[in-house]
Amino acid sequence: KAGVTQTPRYLIKTRGQQVTLSCSPISGHRSVSWYQQTPGQGLQFLFEYFSETQRNKGNFPGRFSGRQFSNSRSEMNVSTLELGDSALYLCASSLAQGRTDTQYFGPGTRLTVL
Amino acid sequence: GNSVTQMEGPVTLSEEAFLTINCTYTATGYPSLFWYVQYPGEGLQLLLKATKADDKGSNKGFEATYRKETTSFHLEKGSVQVSDSAVYFCALILTSGTYKYIFGTGTRLKVLA
Repeated sequence: KAGVTQTPRYLIKTRGQQVTLSCSPISGHRSVSWYQQTPGQGLQFLFEYFSETQRNKGNFPGRFSGRQFSNSRSEMNVSTLELGDSALYLCASSLAQGRTDTQYFGPGTRLTVL
Repeated sequence: GNSVTQMEGPVTLSEEAFLTINCTYTATGYPSLFWYVQYPGEGLQLLLKATKADDKGSNKGFEATYRKETTSFHLEKGSVQVSDSAVYFCALILTSGTYKYIFGTGTRLKVLA
């Protein structure tokens, strides 16, 4: 079974621009979560989508948004980029089995904001 | 609030040394506990998990026991290898409301030959 794929792998943008990141989950997985990983803050939860609905949301400003399509693929958008948005953005998919759920992570998209 | 606390890294060990990475948690409800590992240039992958008190998760020589009385889930390995060099994340799933993961900040392990 193919793993979680994320595109693009690397991205360089300038302040004020916007960016869209894509995530394709493992086949059959309906839950997709997004995380921001930085050296200082570790892994921070952005949001989770399940069956095209946002089910959980972290403490990020409204510049960060996402959506999920009927085939479970998900996109994340960041508008008006700031230098502090430079990070590794990880996507994870799961079967959404509740308290025993295992997340399967993609390799991430490395975003650099200049 | 709900949180996971891991020991600060980096942890540097010689090959075949004993490893302990401490993890404690604060959570409402009855969480499941996980250890994930991130190798250089890759995403996280599940290392082991435990879903109830006194459960022991194990994989690839790593072990961790769910200790409800001390709210801990410390990761141990008897003899580390250079290939174990990675970042290790302790995590839990909240079980109140919708299920939501909370991760610790990660502990970097460097094993020297």
